[in-house]
Amino acid sequence: EPEVTQTPSHQVTQMGQEVILRCVPISNHLYFYWYRQILGQKVEFLVSFYNNEISEKSEIFDDQFSVERPDGSNFTLKIRSTKLEDSAMYFCASKGRVGSTDTQYFGPGTRLTVL
Amino acid sequence: LAKTTQPISMDSYEGQEVNITCSHNNIATNDYITWYQQFPSQGPRFIIQGYKTKVTNEVASLFIPADRKSSTLSLPRVSLSDTAVYYCLVGDARSGGGADGLTFGKGTHLIIQP
Repeated sequence: EPEVTQTPSHQVTQMGQEVILRCVPISNHLYFYWYRQILGQKVEFLVSFYNNEISEKSEIFDDQFSVERPDGSNFTLKIRSTKLEDSAMYFCASKGRVGSTDTQYFGPGTRLTVL
Repeated sequence: LAKTTQPISMDSYEGQEVNITCSHNNIATNDYITWYQQFPSQGPRFIIQGYKTKVTNEVASLFIPADRKSSTLSLPRVSLSDTAVYYCLVGDARSGGGADGLTFGKGTHLIIQP
């Protein structure tokens, strides 16, 4: 069964550093998402991406965040200058291929630890 | 988006049927009801989706009464591995825009004991 993959599984960084989280969505999916989950809290929507541009973003997704689909397979989330409060699990999701339901399929997540 | 209310936690035993009910009094005509499951340190996983009456797949059943103001996720013969958080989401899953982010609540923490 096709699945969303994410790398790395765990990223440790120093406060103020830039990090790039990578995702490979399910092939032929059209919509791409990033979510985060701070330990013990809810899964929070960050941003959605469709047709090579951001479709929707939450208040969390400020100027420190950016997304990119540099080629036909990867979808990345960049945090320009990490803060302690950025420590969380980051999940990528994708949905929408021809003939599919509209279910979002989530990846296993990247655990980001900011020191 | 319609607000959902579900129990914070539930306990059951292996082999039992578990029913988790979600209230969504303000559900809109175009809204679908979707349930996700999440294990610790993993991404949410789609379980089932429905609009009305009953939907069944290899994992669960979803019962939706005629007024659609609530729904019940039914897990038959649970095992220890069904211990997870279960989220009920209500939204226009088939909107023209298609790119809407999902809004997760706190979910129901289901604990299965031997």
